[in-house]
Formats: sequence, C-alpha cells, structure tokens
Amino acid sequence: GAVVSQHPSRVICKSGTSVKIECRSLDFQATTMFWYRQFPKQSLMLMATSNEGSKATYEQGVEKDKFLINHASLTLSTLTVTSAHPEDSSFYICSAFVPGGSYGYTFGSGTRLTVV
Amino acid sequence: KQEVTQIPAALSVPEGENLVLNCSFTDSAIYNLQWFRQDPGKGLTSLLLIQSSQREQTSGRLNASLDKSSGRSTLYIAASQPGDSATYLCAAPPGGSQGNLIFGKGTKLSVKP
Repeated sequence: GAVVSQHPSRVICKSGTSVKIECRSLDFQATTMFWYRQFPKQSLMLMATSNEGSKATYEQGVEKDKFLINHASLTLSTLTVTSAHPEDSSFYICSAFVPGGSYGYTFGSGTRLTVV
Repeated sequence: KQEVTQIPAALSVPEGENLVLNCSFTDSAIYNLQWFRQDPGKGLTSLLLIQSSQREQTSGRLNASLDKSSGRSTLYIAASQPGDSATYLCAAPPGGSQGNLIFGKGTKLSVKP
C-alpha cells in the first residue's frame, strides 16, 4: 500500500516546449503533495508544495510561472514545466505523506527530464 | 531551520561487513525521521520510519535509531550484501511540523563481493 505512481519516467523534449508530469496516489488520498528536483550527485531540493483545491506554495527561487502545479483532486497532482530549457534538465520527483502514521512519506519513481 | 547532515558521504565495504551510517539534524522537535534508499536514476524507497516517541525501528537486516536530544540517527546494516549498494538518504520534516522533508546529501554505499 501507500503507492504514488509517477509518469512519465523519462522524457526528452525540445527547448521551448512544455512537459507535464503526473503523480497519482493509488491507495490513499493525498491532500498535499511535494515536488522535488534533484540535480546529478546532489540531494533532493523542495520546489513546491501542492494542496488539493488551492494554489501551490513555491520555494524561494522557483519560478511559479515556469513550473505550473495543479492539484485538482485528492489523488492527482501535476507539474508542468513550461517553455523548457536545457537548464531545466533534471530529475523531478513527487512525494506525499501517508495518513495513519505507518508509512511516513512515500515517493514517486521520478521523472528524468532532458531538454535538448 | 532544519538542517540534515549525513556522514560519511561515501563508504566502501567488503561483503558481509556490518556498517553504520550517520545522520544528524539541527531541530530536535521533529515528529519523525525517515531513512530512504535511492538506486542510480531511480526514485526513493522508504526503509524505516521512526516516530519521535520511538528510539529505534528494525526491518530485516536494518536497524535505525533515533536520539532526539543529541539530534542524531543511525542506520545499521548487518551482514552487508552487494545488493545493498545504493545511496542512503536520511530525512526529517522541519521541527514542530509535518511538512515537507529536509534531506541530507546522502551516503553512497558500495558493497564489494
């Protein structure tokens, strides 16, 4: 139990295009989802917190107009990288806290984005 | 502000050896602390979750301890195997909240056959 399904796992796109990444909680309701970015050989850095039915909260230095987050239901949050550039190439991963106290935080399998 | 530090950054051991990974955190008012494993290019797999009221958790060959007063946690791996090779991440939420996790930079473990 407590699975977050993330798609796609890999995507290569041309510079200037947009890419949407989806995260679905499969067997629990995720009121809040966290979006992280991980550059090579570095740890995960929080980009934004998405809350179902309200606007996302972005960390300092993260452009909200470039990284659009939508959390339209209790089981789905999406991150859209708009007008992607090569410097946006990174590993993006979502996470949710699982209610009940047994699992803690569960993570999606990540999306490797390469912008060419 | 919560900061999480992990040492060592990398560790190489022969198969069969017992080992300890260290994690320290600055804000001890945490609700819980979690250890993860990350394989190259992959997502995170949760290994152990320790609630603030607990001192340790065990799962198979893994044992994690938590000492809030000193701001430390350790992950003990018994009888290491080559399949244990991965990056191990320690993470805790900000003190007094159950918000996002703050991650250490990880310990890259290599277990040699």
